Amino acid sequence: QKEVEQNSGPLSVPEGAIASLNCTYSDRGSQSFFWYRQYSGKSPELIMFIYSNGDKEDGRFTAQLNKASQYVSLLIRDSQPSDSATYLCAVKAPPELIFGAGTRLAVHP
Amino acid sequence: DTAVSQTPKYLVTQMGNDKSIKCEQNLGHDTMYWYKQDSKKFLKIMFSYNNKELIINETVPNRFSPKSPDKAHLNLHINSLELGDSAVYFCASSQSGSGSNEQFFGPGTRLTVL
Repeated sequence: QKEVEQNSGPLSVPEGAIASLNCTYSDRGSQSFFWYRQYSGKSPELIMFIYSNGDKEDGRFTAQLNKASQYVSLLIRDSQPSDSATYLCAVKAPPELIFGAGTRLAVHP
Repeated sequence: DTAVSQTPKYLVTQMGNDKSIKCEQNLGHDTMYWYKQDSKKFLKIMFSYNNKELIINETVPNRFSPKSPDKAHLNLHINSLELGDSAVYFCASSQSGSGSNEQFFGPGTRLTVL
């Protein structure tokens, strides 16, 4: 069974710090990897996607992928209170997109 | 402009009833999905339709049936509702073959079965 694992949190970080969110997946055939952000009571929205090993940066967000370790992470630099949300890791294991249970991030002033 | 819309936003109903949730996307995508998010926030795929063909059908009860009149719409029909069906149901769409394969989600329908 294909699985995506995340620590449910909450992960609490002070404003301005780096938040590090981690995700592991079970299917070695997984091709692409996504991070979605979901505010309470709202729908998920895509923040980052990554296909290749290494780092991918977009503004304050960096996605890191290590296929050998079946590990993907999301770093949020200069965390803001507005970043407080649940972050869902999703893995494309065709034909499915499999979501982790999400990590709740709380950024406190 | 709303990209993926769902109606209704809230649905409260009695056990045993039959209900439908509608979904429409105006993005021109060729694939649409239904997800269920339970109280523990786990988002699980239920169905997806690509060009009017069912391509994923997870082990959901056959009380749930997707209906796609055209590629812009994917409705969800639920028969004989049970307490355990209470959840938030999200519709989503994507374009196959696109670089990111990003799925765009609707606002969700919160279903409460009493």
